[in-house]
Amino acid sequence: AQSVTQLGSHVSVSEGALVLLRCNYSSSVPPYLFWYVQYPNQGLQLLLKYTSAATLVKGINGFEAEFKKSETSFHLTKPSAHMSDAAEYFCAVSGRYAGNNRKLIWGLGTSLAVNP
Amino acid sequence: NAGVTQTPKFQVLKTGQSMTLQCAQDMNHEYMSWYRQDPGMGLRLIHYSVGAGITDQGEVPNGYNVSRSTTEDFPLRLLSAAPSQTSVYFCASSYGTGGMNTEAFFGQGTRLTVV
Repeated sequence: AQSVTQLGSHVSVSEGALVLLRCNYSSSVPPYLFWYVQYPNQGLQLLLKYTSAATLVKGINGFEAEFKKSETSFHLTKPSAHMSDAAEYFCAVSGRYAGNNRKLIWGLGTSLAVNP
Repeated sequence: NAGVTQTPKFQVLKTGQSMTLQCAQDMNHEYMSWYRQDPGMGLRLIHYSVGAGITDQGEVPNGYNVSRSTTEDFPLRLLSAAPSQTSVYFCASSYGTGGMNTEAFFGQGTRLTVV
């Protein structure tokens, strides 16, 4: 069965510092992987997605994530945090093929705080 | 293109009352789902639908009903509200199931308080 683990429910960084949000997955087949962001009092929106075209995926707002099969990881990074990055971030995994693995499996989320 | 539209945005109910949360999408998506979001618990799947006329239970279906009479609409009914149903509810849709089709598009959420 697929699963997603986000290490650290709360991460705090200083403005301008590197952002690193961790996501590890478990999947018996090569997965599709997603990062979503939720700003306060809003719905979730897609940041970026891994579809096997390239292991380094660039998303919106300067975020990127690298798929590492050997580490079963898909960590989200941004070189320099901005105050507007403060939000909840969710990692999700889906099976590659239709069938039992077709639903999105969600991590519990990581709340990112950016300090001035 | 409106995407996924949820109404209402806020609602307060008394224990035992019933209500329907509305969800509509205009992207011709086959797959629709309802989640609830509670602090520290992430997103939990309540019910989902793989097409008009087809619904199924998710992780936490008790106390909720759904129906899917059209591709566009997927309402969530609370049968007899309880304080444990105080939560933020999200409706999501996607093209289908499997692989890239599972990319989800979310509504803005309904914040429900049951007193």
